[in-house]
Amino acid sequence: QVQLVQSGGEVKKPGASVNLSCKAFGYSFTNYGISWVRQAPGQGLEWMGWVSTYSGNTKYAQNIQGRVTMATDTSTTTASMELRSLRSDDTAVYYCARHVTYGDSRYFDLWGRGTLVTVSS
Amino acid sequence: SYELTQPPSVSVSPGQTARITCSADALPKQYAYWYQQKPGQAPVMVIYKDSERSSGIPERFSGSSSGTTVTLTISGVQAEDEADYYCQSADSSGTYVVFGGGTKLTVL
Repeated sequence: QVQLVQSGGEVKKPGASVNLSCKAFGYSFTNYGISWVRQAPGQGLEWMGWVSTYSGNTKYAQNIQGRVTMATDTSTTTASMELRSLRSDDTAVYYCARHVTYGDSRYFDLWGRGTLVTVSS
Repeated sequence: SYELTQPPSVSVSPGQTARITCSADALPKQYAYWYQQKPGQAPVMVIYKDSERSSGIPERFSGSSSGTTVTLTISGVQAEDEADYYCQSADSSGTYVVFGGGTKLTVL
């Protein structure tokens, strides 16, 4: 079955780091990138960045660059995201999504169920 | 930074037509995509490349584009269509992805 399976919820203290994973099933992993999108409680969707599963190249949103690292492991068809120096406003549900590139266009046709990260002292 | 502008809310009665707009300067150069998100669930893409309906999405969902505005239209709205809807596109270079702020569709 084509799906993205994300790791479980996390509770972290301010200043800590969190590492989330996203395992792909049922499709050719390197044919698509993986993006990470987060959603703070009661808020909208925020794109965080993208990683190429083929080359490992990344592109991060400007407001989070410097605190985030995205990577993939083709041997396990798993993408990962590390977010450092956590703050309370990083509390959100974090989604991984299959990232499709069509010319200059980018979109997401498959989503994981999301991982809740809570940052609290 | 590049932004997509959506109305925060739209309300319609069952059977009526709901129209949700999304505006931005780069939309004439970039395709727009629409996602439906129900409470506690991940988003689902309903429209891609401005007007193509995703697989399994009912025919009552359609998309259109005119200049700097794209529109998601839901004809004959049903109670199950009550959800948040997000448009998504990229900046003119295709480097950065952006989402609109979301529109809450309420079925009265």
